[in-house]
Amino acid sequence: EAQVTQNPRYLITVTGKKLTVTCSQNMNHEYMSWYRQDPGLGLRQIYYSMNVEVTDKGDVPEGYKVSRKEKRNFPLILESPSPNQTSLYFCASSSPGLQDTQYFGPGTRLTVL
Amino acid sequence: AQSVAQPEDQVNVAEGNPLTVKCTYSVSGNPYLFWYVQYPNRGLQFLLKYITGDNLVKGSYGFEAEFNKSQTSFHLKKPSALVSDSALYFCAVRGTSGGSYIPTFGRGTSLIVHP
Repeated sequence: EAQVTQNPRYLITVTGKKLTVTCSQNMNHEYMSWYRQDPGLGLRQIYYSMNVEVTDKGDVPEGYKVSRKEKRNFPLILESPSPNQTSLYFCASSSPGLQDTQYFGPGTRLTVL
Repeated sequence: AQSVAQPEDQVNVAEGNPLTVKCTYSVSGNPYLFWYVQYPNRGLQFLLKYITGDNLVKGSYGFEAEFNKSQTSFHLKKPSALVSDSALYFCAVRGTSGGSYIPTFGRGTSLIVHP
């Protein structure tokens, strides 16, 4: 089944404790991206990747890192999480051949205490 | 820079009545336009898109959207709303002239269909 998977789905952590949210897609898509969803602010792009080893900042990249060493994986790293990073995070993938229709993962709800 | 505006945080409609969820955009070049739906505790699902051609685009679950270049709008419509259509709807756009190939999303509009 074609899908985007994220892990973990739920995470409660404390300020400053490094964490990684994994994202994997099995559709051989070139493009991958991370979004955060907050009430009243909608979906905001954190980082995106056009292909392996090619990443760029989105609208709200501060406090986040990403890497794209393999085409299927695009982990989101929070080196020192803070409470303002408490949010619902979505990974998405797409392909120019699909005219950029995005496939979203199920989301990761992160709480930073 | 590309941007999307969804002017209504919430739209209320009675079951069986037509519904419209509004979206306007700003991009460089010609737009690729998308609508996505998010049901509670779920990720976003693709509904429909406009790339080129006929201005009226038909999508999943009986939804359609009309591309209006002069008004830079891409409103989502459905002739007869169902209670099960209640969800959060996102409009997205990306331009075809320079910049990112990843779409920009609006803030979302909560659609509530009353029985």
